[in-house]
Amino acid sequence: GIQVEQSPPDLILQEGANSTLRCNFSDSVNNLQWFHQNPWGQLINLFYIPSGTKQNGRLSATTVATERYSLLYISSSQTTDSGVYFCAVGTGTASKLTFGTGTRLQVTL
Amino acid sequence: DAGVIQSPRHEVTEMGQEVTLRCKLISGHNSLFWYRQTMMRGLELLIYFNNNVPIDDSGMPEDRFSAKMPNASFSTLKIQPSEPRDSAVYFCASSSNHGGRPFGSGTRLTVV
Repeated sequence: GIQVEQSPPDLILQEGANSTLRCNFSDSVNNLQWFHQNPWGQLINLFYIPSGTKQNGRLSATTVATERYSLLYISSSQTTDSGVYFCAVGTGTASKLTFGTGTRLQVTL
Repeated sequence: DAGVIQSPRHEVTEMGQEVTLRCKLISGHNSLFWYRQTMMRGLELLIYFNNNVPIDDSGMPEDRFSAKMPNASFSTLKIQPSEPRDSAVYFCASSSNHGGRPFGSGTRLTVV
């Protein structure tokens, strides 16, 4: 099956810093999503981004499907950004998603 | 829209008992996914349905697990008999043809 690798596995930032999270995948996909799992365990769908670039407030994401990677940018990080960020890929809008192992982010004061 | 709704939020049960987890989809969504999350294995897809029909159940651990979708808006995941190794957080997610994959709040299952 398709492999999804995320880096870095762990990241500690001071509030206000910027960061870039990376997702590499092993095969062609036409569904790629980023999720944030907050410290209470809730999974929040951040972006549906099979290709191109999207922005939502301080977060943005870029997927280069031909090169099989996606990047999630967090600017001016806040303590509420802490949690685990997952990348998940699939082959259709209604297909199963395969999740990466996540990047655990801790934002400190 | 209330989003994907799961119940119960927490379930503690004794080994050997039957457990039923419930999920209500977002209105208009036609695909449903059941995931399990553990520290050891991360997020694993158990089964998914399109238009009430099971498409891929290869992730269902064994015959003790079964899932149904009796109508377009509701699904159950049943474990009978439950075992301590089934302890995990079980998530349900839905999907329309437009891409996003909203998740429910999960059911934290503890089998003692």
